[in-house]
Amino acid sequence: DAGVIQSPRHEVTEMGQEVTLRCKPISGHNSLFWYRQTMMRGLELLIYFNNNVPIDDSGMPEDRFSAKMPNASFSTLKIQPSEPRDSAVYFCASSLGQRSSGANVLTFGAGSRLTVL
Amino acid sequence: AQKVTQAQTEISVVEKEDVTLDCVYETRDTTYYLFWYKQPPSGELVFLIRRNSFDEQNEISGRYSWNFQKSTSSFNFTITASQVVDSAVYFCALSGNTGNQFYFGTGTSLTVIP
Repeated sequence: DAGVIQSPRHEVTEMGQEVTLRCKPISGHNSLFWYRQTMMRGLELLIYFNNNVPIDDSGMPEDRFSAKMPNASFSTLKIQPSEPRDSAVYFCASSLGQRSSGANVLTFGAGSRLTVL
Repeated sequence: AQKVTQAQTEISVVEKEDVTLDCVYETRDTTYYLFWYKQPPSGELVFLIRRNSFDEQNEISGRYSWNFQKSTSSFNFTITASQVVDSAVYFCALSGNTGNQFYFGTGTSLTVIP
């Protein structure tokens, strides 16, 4: 299994531009999470999906952020318009959302490092 | 409320020393899971261990060992004979009764000096 795949790995953009981050979860995993990591705030959960349905988006900072999961193998996190304070590493993670042996372990992607100038 | 506290922000040890990373958690759930993740300088988050609330047995994996104590709500992580490759940020996390929400501590940055 290739693991959780995120793209792009690095993105540098200018303030006001739209940014789209992409994630392919592990095949068979039914939960997907977007996290943001900064030095100041650590790891923050932005949103998570279960069976492609957004369950909790209370961590999404503001209306400039949106996330979609059109199918079980793809999710996007969009920032429009981007601001310098959005600079962070964005992680996607997936898990088997079941309480069985081996379930509930979050497998993370390599992250997308976003710099907004 | 669900919360994970890692009071140690940074730790430095000399190679071959033992080091313990502390993790204290809060939860009202009777069933929950505890995790440790490692984030090396390359940036990825690597799963190390999962423990459920009904299993208080300590676990050892090579130089790594974990001490789970429900009485003190702690899940501490010990590295024996530390190596430079152990230098990383280590995160403790809690997953509650729903099994789908994860609460991460702020991480402990470990530096092993050669």
